[in-house]
Amino acid sequence: QKEVEQNSGPLSVPEGAIASLNCTYSDRVSQSFFWYRQYSGKSPELIMSIYSNGDKEDGRFTAQLNKASQYVSLLIRDSQPSDSATYLCAARDSGGGADGLTFGKGTHLIIQP
Amino acid sequence: EAGVAQSPRYKIIEKRQSVAFWCNPISGHATLYWYQQILGQGPKLLIQFQNNGVVDDSQLPKDRFSAERLKGVDSTLKIQPAKLEDSAVYLCASSRNWGNTGQYFGPGTRLTVT
Repeated sequence: QKEVEQNSGPLSVPEGAIASLNCTYSDRVSQSFFWYRQYSGKSPELIMSIYSNGDKEDGRFTAQLNKASQYVSLLIRDSQPSDSATYLCAARDSGGGADGLTFGKGTHLIIQP
Repeated sequence: EAGVAQSPRYKIIEKRQSVAFWCNPISGHATLYWYQQILGQGPKLLIQFQNNGVVDDSQLPKDRFSAERLKGVDSTLKIQPAKLEDSAVYLCASSRNWGNTGQYFGPGTRLTVT
């Protein structure tokens, strides 16, 4: 059974610093990876997707994927207090028609002003 | 473009009662998912529809949960009878197509079973 592992935190980062969030997955079939941000009491919001090994940048966010090590990470540059949230890592298979996401438990990120 | 709509937003029921949730996906999105999120956990997939057909319901507790997506648009998820452990947020998500496209979540329905 596929598992996605994240450190639950909390991870505390000073404002303006780089926040680094990590995720590992157990199933080599997983092909696509997603990072969601979830504020307390709200639903998950898609912020990044990555499908190929290497880095993918979008504004202050950089997703990194290493399929050989089964490792995904999210870097947030110039962290702002509004980045304080739980970050969910998710993996998706690309085989067959079923493509529901398997989520980790999330990492609680706190940006200290 | 309007996002995924869900109702009700909150529901409190007693155990052994039944409850139904409704979801309207983003216009044009063929794939619809229902997830269950228990407090402190990530969402867990319950069922996936492609148009009006079920693609994956392997994690749906079929003895008490049922779901349908008539006409390939709106969907309902029903629980009958509810148990205390069903207390969770029920999230509906949609995506344009199967494959490497993002899934977008609705606001969720928070269910409390007493």
